[in-house]
Amino acid sequence: DAKTTQPPSMDCAEGRAANLPCNHSTISGNEYVYWYRQIHSQGPQYIIHGLKNNETNEMASLIITEDRKSSTLILPHATLRDTAVYYCIVRITGTASKLTFGTGTRLQVTL
Amino acid sequence: GAVVSQHPSRVICKSGTSVKIECRSLDFQATTMFWYRQFPKQSLMLMATSNEGSKATYEQGVEKDKFLINHASLTLSTLTVTSAHPEDSSFYICSAMARGDSPLHFGNGTRLTVT
Repeated sequence: DAKTTQPPSMDCAEGRAANLPCNHSTISGNEYVYWYRQIHSQGPQYIIHGLKNNETNEMASLIITEDRKSSTLILPHATLRDTAVYYCIVRITGTASKLTFGTGTRLQVTL
Repeated sequence: GAVVSQHPSRVICKSGTSVKIECRSLDFQATTMFWYRQFPKQSLMLMATSNEGSKATYEQGVEKDKFLINHASLTLSTLTVTSAHPEDSSFYICSAMARGDSPLHFGNGTRLTVT
């Protein structure tokens, strides 16, 4: 699986949009971009994933650049409960395809 | 949505004893489950891939005789930490995926403390 690069930490004011970037310049054509987050002492929570089109669900939006070498996770209205470590992972889909975690971005949402 | 249940959430055991951790997919069948370990302030490290009805595949550096994995059914995988030592104290997390193109979902983890 391709490696990803994320900033180690970010701050965001509550109520504002949180934009978390991820670089995956070596992504291959059949690899999806997945985002997970981990709140302290819990298992990772799936947020969203996409291949090349932008995606949106009830939690977040995922913007993937046209060349697919980078993406941005957008939390439209961050709350204190969104404070977590966010992981961007690229992965080939399939039942035997594992997720390899990097170091992620620690997002701190503040009042 | 897909739910993965892990039990127990916390366990304390004495050095030299064995501990079993269960991972269940509650509303889907999982042919493949993954076991991760996470030390404080570090990221998740994949330990092994558990395949229903066959032997698990271990990552490099993970002792298969120490971390026994059994995936006897499509909804249950177990990880047994044998002859536990204090250095095995960690946060163990399982994940599972339904057949087909779907995301991996994670359990809430088991915090193991070996005294």
